[in-house]
Amino acid sequence: EDKVVQSPLSLVVHEGDTVTLNCSYEVTNFRSLLWYKQEKKAPTFLFMLTSSGIEKKSGRLSSILDKKELFSILNITATQTGDSAVYLCAVSPWGAQKLVFGQGTRLTINP
Amino acid sequence: GAGVSQTPSNKVTEKGKYVELRCDPISGHTALYWYRQSLGQGPEFLIYFQGTGAADDSGLPNDRFFAVRPEGSVSTLKIQRTERGDSAMYLCASSLTGTSGSDRDTQYFGPGTRLTVL
Repeated sequence: EDKVVQSPLSLVVHEGDTVTLNCSYEVTNFRSLLWYKQEKKAPTFLFMLTSSGIEKKSGRLSSILDKKELFSILNITATQTGDSAVYLCAVSPWGAQKLVFGQGTRLTINP
Repeated sequence: GAGVSQTPSNKVTEKGKYVELRCDPISGHTALYWYRQSLGQGPEFLIYFQGTGAADDSGLPNDRFFAVRPEGSVSTLKIQRTERGDSAMYLCASSLTGTSGSDRDTQYFGPGTRLTVL
């Protein structure tokens, strides 16, 4: 059974800190890994990663995938209170057009 | 253009009643997905449509759940004889395609319908 595990489940830091969120997975026929940010309702898309070792970057957020060790990390530098959200990691297997999500990491940024 | 929209945003019903949840995908997206998210958990897949047909309904928990997409755009998730355990956020997502293996498969989510069964 395909499985995604995120850690930590919850993280509280101060504004300006750098955080690293972890995502490990087990999936048959890996196609891609995606990160989403969920503030109140709709998860909003951040990154899609398909190749190992390639970093995707958008402003203060970046992510990298390790297909050999089956994990990904999401880094956020110079955190701001607006980064407070649940961050979801999901994998998409070939042959099944669905996303398998982890439990999410609840990130709280205190001013 | 507009994103994925879902109505209603909240639905409160009584145990045993029938409910319909509606999803309007991004214009031009052929693939549509339904997920269910319980409190403190990640979304769980329910069903996937490619055009008008349900290509994968393996996530539907039982035969009380049914979904349609008759014209290949708007979809309705239908739940019969609701139970308290059905209470959750129901999320809809759409993507340009579903099988390309590229960025065109990226799923974009709507704001969800929070269903509460009393």
